[in-house]
Amino acid sequence: KQEVTQIPAALSVPEGENLVLNCSFTDSAIYNLQWFRQDPGKGLTSLLLIQSSQREQTSGRLNASLDKSSGRSTLYIAASQPGDSATYLCAVTYSGANSKLTFGKGITLSVRP
Amino acid sequence: NAGVMQNPRHLVRRRGQEARLRCSPMKGHSHVYWYRQLPEEGLKFMVYLQKENIIDESGMPKERFSAEFPKEGPSILRIQQVVRGDSAAYFCASSTESYEQYFGPGTRLTVT
Repeated sequence: KQEVTQIPAALSVPEGENLVLNCSFTDSAIYNLQWFRQDPGKGLTSLLLIQSSQREQTSGRLNASLDKSSGRSTLYIAASQPGDSATYLCAVTYSGANSKLTFGKGITLSVRP
Repeated sequence: NAGVMQNPRHLVRRRGQEARLRCSPMKGHSHVYWYRQLPEEGLKFMVYLQKENIIDESGMPKERFSAEFPKEGPSILRIQQVVRGDSAAYFCASSTESYEQYFGPGTRLTVT
């Protein structure tokens, strides 16, 4: 069964800390992996997309890595800020899955001032 | 370039009524996806459509749910005879052939 897991479900850190959010997937035959941010009661904002041929992508203070062989991705957030508080979702497009996304349940991040 | 638009943003229906959710994809996007987010659960794929075609409906409940993406106009997700368990946030996403999906703000359906 093709699944995506994000552990822990919640994380609280002090402002300024560098942090890593983890995502694991059960099948290495993926087409791409996306990280999203969701604020309470809002839609999803795409943060980074990594194609299966890539190892990492960077955008500002965010860096996402992909290791297909181990079935893992990490989202690194540098110098965290209270405005980073949100739920972060990892989603995988598995090869041959007609481009549908399989989501993890997300990690709810709280950055304390 | 406006993003993905969904309306209504909030919808309240009594049990047994019909709910119609609309999604207008980003300009130039011909692929539309619908996802459902139940309370305390992750987002689950429902259906994938291209203009006038259903490509993958493997996530759609077998009864009461239907989706369309006509040649002209928005994509519609239709839920007939709603029940309390249908209360959820329904998200639409669109993409080009690159598969990077852009999400709308969602429609929050409450069944009373």
